[in-house]
Amino acid sequence: DAGITQSPRHKVTETGTPVTLRCHQTENHRYMYWYRQDPGHGLRLIHYSYGVKDTDKGEVSDGYSVSRSKTEDFLLTLESATSSQTSVYFCAISESGRGNQETQYFGPGTRLLVL
Amino acid sequence: GQQVMQIPQYQHVQEGEDFTTYCNSSTTLSNIQWYKQRPGGHPVFLIQLVKSGEVKKQKRLTFQFGEAKKNSSLHITATQTTDVGTYFCAGGDRGSTLGRLYFGRGTQLTVWP
Repeated sequence: DAGITQSPRHKVTETGTPVTLRCHQTENHRYMYWYRQDPGHGLRLIHYSYGVKDTDKGEVSDGYSVSRSKTEDFLLTLESATSSQTSVYFCAISESGRGNQETQYFGPGTRLLVL
Repeated sequence: GQQVMQIPQYQHVQEGEDFTTYCNSSTTLSNIQWYKQRPGGHPVFLIQLVKSGEVKKQKRLTFQFGEAKKNSSLHITATQTTDVGTYFCAGGDRGSTLGRLYFGRGTQLTVWP
């Protein structure tokens, strides 16, 4: 498996509180992604990054922000968590040489429950 | 915008039966990738198809990419309980150089002995 870790792996929080999820890679890959997975919806892209301080929105970016100050770390922040953000969050990475023809490698996921 | 549709959403088969999942894109793709996610796990890359009409095999799994590079299929012959999981297709936009993939919603395969 690619060197990707996510922290925390599980989190329970209350509505209205801020939450930050961390993705860390040891592969020096250019691209990093945040997805959420919900039953019946598959994998939906929240945000992605194509370099340090270079990020773009995915299809479900409302309520989320990201930051990438180092190649190896990509942070996902829920400024004020809502129950609709209860989900499993996956980080993924890919190299850059062949753009969208590169394979994506996924982290183990973070299970977030917002009460 | 770019969309990748995948059907069926669920498939239940008896061990030994065949299984097929289909993906269709609204636009021409640069490539299609297939991933498998075991229950409780994370998606894992299976294969990539790049050429029009391409067919690839991995043991009992056969992957096809359509001539127009807008559709793809994954066929499993004689399913086994180890095939259980969710299969995702993911396509890249031919008109983009960015590393974004568009994932289908997945087909959840259940195999009973």
